[in-house]
Amino acid sequence: DGGITQSPKYLFRKEGQNVTLSCEQNLNHDAMYWYRQDPGQGLRLIYYSQIVNDFQKGDIAEGYSVSREKKESFPLTVTSAQKNPTAFYLCASRLALNTGELFFGEGSRLTVL
Amino acid sequence: GDSVTQMEGPVTLSEEAFLTINCTYTATGYPSLFWYVQYPGEGLQLLLKATKADDKGSNKGFEATYRKETTSFHLEKGSVQVSDSAVYFCALGGAAGNKLTFGGGTRVLVKP
Repeated sequence: DGGITQSPKYLFRKEGQNVTLSCEQNLNHDAMYWYRQDPGQGLRLIYYSQIVNDFQKGDIAEGYSVSREKKESFPLTVTSAQKNPTAFYLCASRLALNTGELFFGEGSRLTVL
Repeated sequence: GDSVTQMEGPVTLSEEAFLTINCTYTATGYPSLFWYVQYPGEGLQLLLKATKADDKGSNKGFEATYRKETTSFHLEKGSVQVSDSAVYFCALGGAAGNKLTFGGGTRVLVKP
């Protein structure tokens, strides 16, 4: 079945450590996105990418980094510069940048101890 | 810039009650509008969408009509079930098209 796979589902990190969240899709979508979700709040866009080797900052990119070396993969690194990293992170993809609905993965919950 | 405002939850209902979740938006041009649903511990799933004024999106008994004159896209369901308990997000895809802007989400709890 086609879809988006995020891993790990749960992750714990000590302050000062970088962590990388994986996102893989087999939908053959060009555009991929990372959103952050905090309790009781909507989704805020961190980064997005419309094609391989290209990505753009979203609304809250500070303290995060991404790469897009392959079409199907869009990993997110939460760096130690991110002041409040505890959140639920959602990866999504779309056929193309301006086309259609977003398909979401099941999310990764990051907790900083 | 683009923005979406939803009614705050939680909304608590009994089974078979009528559900309405209000959503209004601010956007330039003619955005597409979406409702997504999130079940506990999961990602978001598209529930329905509308791409132009007066379009009605529908799915699983839920409906929403794109009202340009009132810049609204209210979600309705005539008879809710316990399985409809979830968080519902209204979203718009703006003229630039490069991202979706989400509302804050409305938690719905349906009791038997």
